[in-house]
Amino acid sequence: DGGITQSPKYLFRKEGQNVTLSCEQNLNHDAMYWYRQDPGQGLRLIYYSQIVNDFQKGDIAEGYSVSREKKESFPLTVTSAQKNPTAFYLCASSQGAPSPLHFGNGTRLTVT
Amino acid sequence: GNSVTQMEGPVTLSEEAFLTINCTYTATGYPSLFWYVQYPGEGLQLLLKATKADDKGSNKGFEATYRKETTSFHLEKGSVQVSDSAVYFCALSDGDNFNKFYFGSGTKLNVKP
Repeated sequence: DGGITQSPKYLFRKEGQNVTLSCEQNLNHDAMYWYRQDPGQGLRLIYYSQIVNDFQKGDIAEGYSVSREKKESFPLTVTSAQKNPTAFYLCASSQGAPSPLHFGNGTRLTVT
Repeated sequence: GNSVTQMEGPVTLSEEAFLTINCTYTATGYPSLFWYVQYPGEGLQLLLKATKADDKGSNKGFEATYRKETTSFHLEKGSVQVSDSAVYFCALSDGDNFNKFYFGSGTKLNVKP
């Protein structure tokens, strides 16, 4: 079955360490996205990519970085510059408007 | 600009009650509209969608109609079940800005037996 795989489901890191969250899709979608969700909150866009080797900042890109070297992969690095990194991170993809977003099951990151 | 506003929760209903979750939007172009559902600890799943005015999206007993005149896309279900307990998100995609999506803040639904 096609879908989006995020790994790991839970991730624990010490403050000051960079950490990379994995996102892989086999839906052959051009566009991929990273969202952050805090408890009881909506989704905030971190970065998105419309095509390989290209990506744009979303609303809260500071302290995060991404790469898009392959169509199926869009890893997110949470750097030590991110002041409050503990959150639930969601990866999504889309084949283009008006198609909907397809989401992975998320990675819960805890930084202590 | 583009934005989505949905009613604050939590919404608590008894099983078999009628559900309405209000959603209104502002958009500069001709958006597509979506409802997503999120169960605890999971990602969002597409519930239904509508791509133009007067379209009705439906799935699993849920319905929503794209009303351009009132800029609304309210979610309804005639008889909720305990298994419908989840958080519901209204969203739009901006037809003018390729692949940009905007989400409401989510409405938590609790259904009691």
